[in-house]
Amino acid sequence: QKEVEQDPGPLSVPEGAIVSLNCTYSNSAFQYFMWYRQYSRKGPELLMYTYSSGNKEDGRFTAQVDKSSKYISLFIRDSQPSDSATYLCAMTILTGGGNKLTFGTGTQLKVEL
Amino acid sequence: DGGITQSPKYLFRKEGQNVTLSCEQNLNHDAMYWYRQDPGQGLRLIYYSQIVNDFQKGDIAEGYSVSREKKESFPLTVTSAQKNPTAFYLCASSMPGRGNYGYTFGSGTRLTVV
Repeated sequence: QKEVEQDPGPLSVPEGAIVSLNCTYSNSAFQYFMWYRQYSRKGPELLMYTYSSGNKEDGRFTAQVDKSSKYISLFIRDSQPSDSATYLCAMTILTGGGNKLTFGTGTQLKVEL
Repeated sequence: DGGITQSPKYLFRKEGQNVTLSCEQNLNHDAMYWYRQDPGQGLRLIYYSQIVNDFQKGDIAEGYSVSREKKESFPLTVTSAQKNPTAFYLCASSMPGRGNYGYTFGSGTRLTVV
C-alpha cells in the first residue's frame, strides 16, 4: 500500500463548477500538507500549504485537512479553463534538518468551456 | 528573479551513453533534490542533498549519480546502467530552516533514449 493515495482521474468539469480533489494517507506522523499544480511539460508549483487540521482559504482555493481521518482535500471554486492541470498532493514529517516530501500520483483536471 | 534552472529542456541519449542533466538555483537554498516522473507513477526521488559535499540515495538511485560541489549546483548523471531512462526529470530545492517546507521546482528535462 502506498503511503499517499490519490485518484488519478482524469476529472472533467464545466467552467464555473466546484472541484474537489482528494488524497488519503497512512502515516499519522505527517504534519505538513501541500498542494502543487503542474501544467503539461512544466515543473510543479506550490499552491497551498497547511500544518493543522481544518480549512485554509486562498482566493478560489481551499485546502482542507482532517488528521483524524488521514484525509486532505483541495477545493476549487468557480473553476476556469486555466485551472486545467495535474494537481499533486504532498506531505512531510517535520524534522530538525531537511525534509523529504511524499507525493501523491496526481489528479489530472480538465475544465471545459 | 530567483529560481531553479534546468537544462537542457529536451535531451536525447543513445543506448550505452552517459548523459548529465544540469540544475542550478539562485535561491540560496541548502537542500536540493532530483525526481523522476513517469505517467501514472507520480514523482519518485532519485537523490537528495542537504548540504554541499553531501548527498543521499533516494528510492530509485540505481543507474544514477550526482555531485554537490557548490551550493547552487546539483547535476544528475544518467549512466548506461539505468535500463529505462526515458522520463521527465525534475530538480527541486528547499530551505526548511526558514519554516517553508515546500519545494521550488525547475521546469524539467525530458530525456529520451533513441
